[in-house]
Amino acid sequence: GAVVSQHPSWVICKSGTSVKIECRSLDFQATTMFWYRQFPKQSLMLMATSNEGSKATYEQGVEKDKFLINHASLTLSTLTVTSAHPEDSSFYICSAAGTGVTDTQYFGPGTRLTVL
Amino acid sequence: EDQVTQSPEALRLQEGESSSLNCSYTVSGLRGLFWYRQDPGKGPEFLFTLYSAGEEKEKERLKATLTKKESFLHITAPKPEDSATYLCAVNQAGTALIFGKGTTLSVSS
Repeated sequence: GAVVSQHPSWVICKSGTSVKIECRSLDFQATTMFWYRQFPKQSLMLMATSNEGSKATYEQGVEKDKFLINHASLTLSTLTVTSAHPEDSSFYICSAAGTGVTDTQYFGPGTRLTVL
Repeated sequence: EDQVTQSPEALRLQEGESSSLNCSYTVSGLRGLFWYRQDPGKGPEFLFTLYSAGEEKEKERLKATLTKKESFLHITAPKPEDSATYLCAVNQAGTALIFGKGTTLSVSS
């Protein structure tokens, strides 16, 4: 149980284009979903927290107009990187929690984004 | 200031050589402490959640323990497939997870 999927697993795009990453909880309903980014040999950095049906809460320093998050259902959240630039290249990982912020988070396999 | 500190940063073991990883935390109002395993290029895999001092949990060769200030992840007779980065995370009331920087374990045969 507690499986989280992400799609795509990797994506390469040109600078200036937008990229959408999907995160799905496959066998449970996720009240809260989280988006992280991870640079090589570093730990996870939380970008935003989203609750189903409401606006995401972004961490300090994360541009909400650049990283659009939609949590339209209890099993799906999307992250759209708008007007991507090479500095946005990173490993993006989502996680899902069943009942709230303090519940155990289950992570997706991650999406490697490369912006040329 | 670091709220979650993991040590050592890296650990090399021979197959069968048992050891422990440490996670110390300074947060108040701990709601839970979590251990994850992360392989290169993959998302973290959930291992354990500990909620109160004195609690212990086991899974195969891994055993996690919790005190009021730290948690240990004991690895008994490790195998090469146990090689990974082990992440510790805590949460306080009303906050998201706070991660440590991880311990990278390498087990050679």
